[in-house]
Amino acid sequence: GAGVSQSPRYKVAKRGQDVALRCDPISGHVSLFWYQQALGQGPEFLTYFQNEAQLDKSGLPSDRFFAERPEGSVSTLKIQRTQKEDSAVYLCASSSGTPSDPYNEQFFGPGTRLTVL
Amino acid sequence: GQNIDQPTEMTATEGAIVQINCTYQTSGFNGLFWYQQHAGEAPTFLSYNVLDGLEEKGRFSSFLSRSKGYSYLLLKELQMKDSASYLCAAWDSNYQLIWGAGTKLIIKP
Repeated sequence: GAGVSQSPRYKVAKRGQDVALRCDPISGHVSLFWYQQALGQGPEFLTYFQNEAQLDKSGLPSDRFFAERPEGSVSTLKIQRTQKEDSAVYLCASSSGTPSDPYNEQFFGPGTRLTVL
Repeated sequence: GQNIDQPTEMTATEGAIVQINCTYQTSGFNGLFWYQQHAGEAPTFLSYNVLDGLEEKGRFSSFLSRSKGYSYLLLKELQMKDSASYLCAAWDSNYQLIWGAGTKLIIKP
């Protein structure tokens, strides 16, 4: 596609529900990142995929958070047993190279705004 | 620890020039990005610096001093559409982007 797309754009969940957030990166992009952005803050790194391999998940806040990219394209971020503190915008970004490539711009999707009641 | 500091908010007048500063402390350094983010939208790329000096791109310029851990974004001929948050992000030694909280820029007519 022309850019990174994410769905749903908005999600309201009751505390304790499981949610799944989808990211469609730019076609052919090797790298895919998930970020969490609280209101008025910068994005916080969650996890990184290079093709289908999850190379870094050091930013996932708890074992309730799980991400996958089984075929190296679409990715899903799953949050189990959602808590109020999970309320944030979840941003997905993709890039054509790997992080160690020079000048590796990340292209962001519009984000999914998750509200946990 | 790793830290990015930038002012929370700045105000400038349409047609003027504004400089947004960013200081960073990271475990290693592989370059610095500036992104623009309008309210409710995704960040969009503005600039990338990895070497010391000034990079100019139209009305926007970005400067980096690696020895000082310092960067700035310079916006000239400000337009109302430049009202947005400007995010500074540094690449650490693990190629993880460490983000600042963003500077909200308010443009007044």
